[in-house]
Amino acid sequence: EDKVVQSPLSLVVHEGDTVTLNCSYEVTNFRSLLWYKQEKKAPTFLFMLTSSGIEKKSGRLSSILDKKELFSILNITATQTGDSAVYLCAVLRGTTSGTYKYIFGTGTRLKVLA
Amino acid sequence: DAGVIQSPRHEVTEMGQEVTLRCKPISGHDYLFWYRQTMMRGLELLIYFNNNVPIDDSGMPEDRFSAKMPNASFSTLKIQPSEPRDSAVYFCASSLYRDSPLHFGNGTRLTVT
Repeated sequence: EDKVVQSPLSLVVHEGDTVTLNCSYEVTNFRSLLWYKQEKKAPTFLFMLTSSGIEKKSGRLSSILDKKELFSILNITATQTGDSAVYLCAVLRGTTSGTYKYIFGTGTRLKVLA
Repeated sequence: DAGVIQSPRHEVTEMGQEVTLRCKPISGHDYLFWYRQTMMRGLELLIYFNNNVPIDDSGMPEDRFSAKMPNASFSTLKIQPSEPRDSAVYFCASSLYRDSPLHFGNGTRLTVT
């Protein structure tokens, strides 16, 4: 059965701290791994990773994928209160019928204290 | 780009009533998805469409749920009759291609009493 597991489930840090969020997966026909940020409303897209070892960066956020060990990390440096959110990891897999399907983890809830 | 638009934002209804959720995808996106999010189960795919055709409805909980996409700019998710366990946030999302990132709407928070 396909699994996407995120850790930790929740995290409380102070502004300026650096955090690392983890996502491990077991899926067949892996295509890509995506990170989303969800505040009060819709999840918003952060990164899509398809190749191992290539870091994606956007400002203070960065992410990398390890397809051999089947995990990804999302790093946030110099955290700010605006980073408080649930971070979702999703894996896109192919199916035997030729369709694609996203499998979502349950998320890591990050709270950044001023 | 207006993004994915969902309505209503909130819906409170009594058990047994029919509920219809609406979605307008981003123009030009060929794929439309309906997800349900709960604290216990996270985001679950209910059904998705490609070019208005349902492709995978294996996540639809039971016959009480149905979804339609009559044209490229509109989709509905209907629950009839509704039950308290259907209470959740329902998200619509669209994507350009089958392996493109999903763009989510702001969701409909459904409460069935």
